[in-house]
Amino acid sequence: DAKTTQPTSMDCAEGRAANLPCNHSTISGNEYVYWYRQIHSQGPQYIIHGLKNNETNEMASLIITEDRKSSTLILPHATLRDTAVYYCIGYFAGNMLTFGGGTRLMVKP
Amino acid sequence: DAGITQSPRYKITETGRQVTLMCHQTWSHSYMFWYRQDLGHGLRLIYYSAAADITDKGEVPDGYVVSRSKTENFPLTLESATRSQTSVYFCASSELGQGANEQYFGPGTRLTVT
Repeated sequence: DAKTTQPTSMDCAEGRAANLPCNHSTISGNEYVYWYRQIHSQGPQYIIHGLKNNETNEMASLIITEDRKSSTLILPHATLRDTAVYYCIGYFAGNMLTFGGGTRLMVKP
Repeated sequence: DAGITQSPRYKITETGRQVTLMCHQTWSHSYMFWYRQDLGHGLRLIYYSAAADITDKGEVPDGYVVSRSKTENFPLTLESATRSQTSVYFCASSELGQGANEQYFGPGTRLTVT
């Protein structure tokens, strides 16, 4: 699985878009990008995943660069409840997820 | 209630004791997983199961035993607990498919070994 690199922490103002970057320069052609988040003391929660195309669901948008070496998770209107650790994971079908250190997002009023 | 549940939510035990953590899911997902999360760190996979009676080791299996006699249950046993096994344990389930690995996590069991 590709090694992913994320900033350790980020701040975002409530109501603004939160843009969380992830570098995965060694990602393979059939390797997916998955995003999970973990709110304090809770189990991780699946957010979104993608392969090549940008993806959007009710929680977030995922923008993957054309060369697939990086991606950005976008929370369009961050709320205080979005304060969490966000994990970017490179995933091969059939393998297991490997959670790294993630980005600690602090949404501030 | 539908979903994935873990019990107990909190457990304090002594070194050398056997402890079993329970995990139950109501979705009939094929795959189930056990992770541990040490304070301030990411999750590490202990064991996983692809179906009833099929289990496999993850990244940190030593000191743990699992079984899966029924699809919905996946208990994790610490045969002789050690202080290094003090951690938060998360169970998860999933229906793995082509590119699909959306895992649904339980609330966690906070285990302290004294």
